[in-house]
Amino acid sequence: KNQVEQSPQSLIILEGKNCTLQCNYTVSPFSNLRWYKQDTGRGPVSLTIMTFSENTKSNGRYTATLDADTKQSSLHITASQLSDSASYICVVSARYGGATNKLIFGTGTLLAVQP
Amino acid sequence: EPEVTQTPSHQVTQMGQEVILRCVPISNHLYFYWYRQILGQKVEFLVSFYNNEISEKSEIFDDQFSVERPDGSNFTLKIRSTKLEDSAMYFCASSETNRGLNTEAFFGQGTRLTVV
Repeated sequence: KNQVEQSPQSLIILEGKNCTLQCNYTVSPFSNLRWYKQDTGRGPVSLTIMTFSENTKSNGRYTATLDADTKQSSLHITASQLSDSASYICVVSARYGGATNKLIFGTGTLLAVQP
Repeated sequence: EPEVTQTPSHQVTQMGQEVILRCVPISNHLYFYWYRQILGQKVEFLVSFYNNEISEKSEIFDDQFSVERPDGSNFTLKIRSTKLEDSAMYFCASSETNRGLNTEAFFGQGTRLTVV
């Protein structure tokens, strides 16, 4: 069964600190992996997309890694800001008959950045 | 910056009533999707739509649900005979394509449906 698991479920850090969120997936056939940020009551916003051949991708203070062999990904947030408080969702896209974009969502990590 | 817009932002309906959730995808996008998120749970795929027909749907998307692109801009999700368990945030998304390496889906802000 296609699944995306994330850890931790929630995390509290102090402003300015770094943190790393984890994602494990069992999705096949794999197309790409995305990290989304979802503010409370809002739609998910894409942070990064990585394909099978990419190991790391950065978007400002966000750096995502992907190990396609172990089916693991991480999202590292550097120098956290209060506005980083949100749910961070790992999303894996499965490929069906050449078409992608059936997105399989993880349950998310709820990050709270405190002053 | 182009964005996916959804209306209404919040809909309250009585059990058994029909509701239509509306979405305006990004104008040059060809693929459209509906997802839902029950409070406290993860986002779940409902349906994808291309070239005026459903290309894929999940087990959740049964005969109670239907989608339509009635004109060149709107994409709607109709829920017939709503049930309490249909209460959720419904997200519309669109993408330029669905093949290739960077088929990014852009999400709307969601419609919160409350069935009472």
